[in-house]
Amino acid sequence: DAGITQSPRYKITETGRQVTLMCHQTWSHSYMFWYRQDLGHGLRLIYYSAAADITDKGEVPDGYVVSRSKTENFPLTLESATRSQTSVYFCASSVNPYTGELFFGEGSRLTVL
Amino acid sequence: AQTVTQSQPEMSVQEAETVTLSCTYDTSESDYYLFWYKQPPSRQMILVIRQEAYKQQNATENRFSVNFQKAAKSFSLKISDSQLGDAAMYFCAYRNYGGATNKLIFGTGTLLAVQP
Repeated sequence: DAGITQSPRYKITETGRQVTLMCHQTWSHSYMFWYRQDLGHGLRLIYYSAAADITDKGEVPDGYVVSRSKTENFPLTLESATRSQTSVYFCASSVNPYTGELFFGEGSRLTVL
Repeated sequence: AQTVTQSQPEMSVQEAETVTLSCTYDTSESDYYLFWYKQPPSRQMILVIRQEAYKQQNATENRFSVNFQKAAKSFSLKISDSQLGDAAMYFCAYRNYGGATNKLIFGTGTLLAVQP
């Protein structure tokens, strides 16, 4: 089915481990985003990408790495997970930078023990 | 920097009644977009309604409408004839018009409960 999918939906890991959250979209949208959702903070932007091989930091990028070698994929890597990175992560995409509508994945709940 | 404030962490409404969720924002820009997103228990974020700042007319989508007060920097969401399926977290969001990026700035959300 067309859309934006995230995997895994749930992940439990330990402090210090590397974790990669995958995001795949089938619309060929140019723009892709990673947000984290925490109680009391709403959604905060981690990284975004305007096109393949173009990425930039958002509001809370520390401890995260992204890449975008293909338009449809935008993985988010926690190189050494910390407990403060326990959160729900949302990937989103957008085709039109002027209307601003984002299409979200279903989220990935990450727990770091 | 732009900010979005939702001062009501939780709201409750009786089924079939009307409820208004508040949102204020701060910006020095004159052209921008405002959004309301709904996040049901399934977690998927769903766009409810969008307002362009240059339009004076308030946006409406079926039972959902907004009261956009540009001078006051206020953007409230009114849900009429509330249904059980409207129970969700609602996020207000802001985006600058134009530019090379497309970043949304979210408020902290309002959790809406619908009582049968």
